[in-house]
Amino acid sequence: GAVVSQHPSRVICKSGTSVKIECRSLDFQATTMFWYRQFPKQSLMLMATSNEGSKATYEQGVEKDKFLINHASLTLSTLTVTSAHPEDSSFYICSAAAPGAREKLFFGSGTQLSVL
Amino acid sequence: GENVEQHPSTLSVQEGDSAVIKCTYSDSASNYFPWYKQELGKRPQLIIDIRSNVGEKKDQRIAVTLNKTAKHFSLHITETQPEDSAVYFCAAANTGRRALTFGSGTRLQVQP
Repeated sequence: GAVVSQHPSRVICKSGTSVKIECRSLDFQATTMFWYRQFPKQSLMLMATSNEGSKATYEQGVEKDKFLINHASLTLSTLTVTSAHPEDSSFYICSAAAPGAREKLFFGSGTQLSVL
Repeated sequence: GENVEQHPSTLSVQEGDSAVIKCTYSDSASNYFPWYKQELGKRPQLIIDIRSNVGEKKDQRIAVTLNKTAKHFSLHITETQPEDSAVYFCAAANTGRRALTFGSGTRLQVQP
């Protein structure tokens, strides 16, 4: 199946700093990637849809100025958590659909963000 | 938007027994229903999916049924094994939007 790589797997940072998370499709081109957030023992909540070459579409309640998404190429989308605070601590996970796979999504390995 | 509800939140079965997890969805435009298995700290893994033009799909010990009229779908795991223990998520999407809306998850514990 298609491979989605996500880095870093774990980040610990101080409050007020910014953190960048990368999501790469390794063996296919993804015009659309999705960013999810998962709090402990909870479900995956869609944060935004990342579109190559255009602005991301954010879900209601997600601050676009806080969670900056850049999808500059067909294989890379980045999520930057700006001025991170402890309440931003969560598991962030990206996903992408491979061409021809219709709605079938492949997930990255996730990034555990801990803000002190 | 789409809303997916999932029950039960936790499920404990004896090894060898069957497990059933149920989900309902709200958007009649949804036409794709995958099930994911997630182990602690890991990425969700697709285990089976079904499209709205099919009522049932089976893959070895795993099966999924879909009732479009009632807007619900279920995951059936037979002959459960300890390695089936994990959190299972149902999800729904439509071809146009593509993004998945997940259910709240079911923590399955298979007792040896």
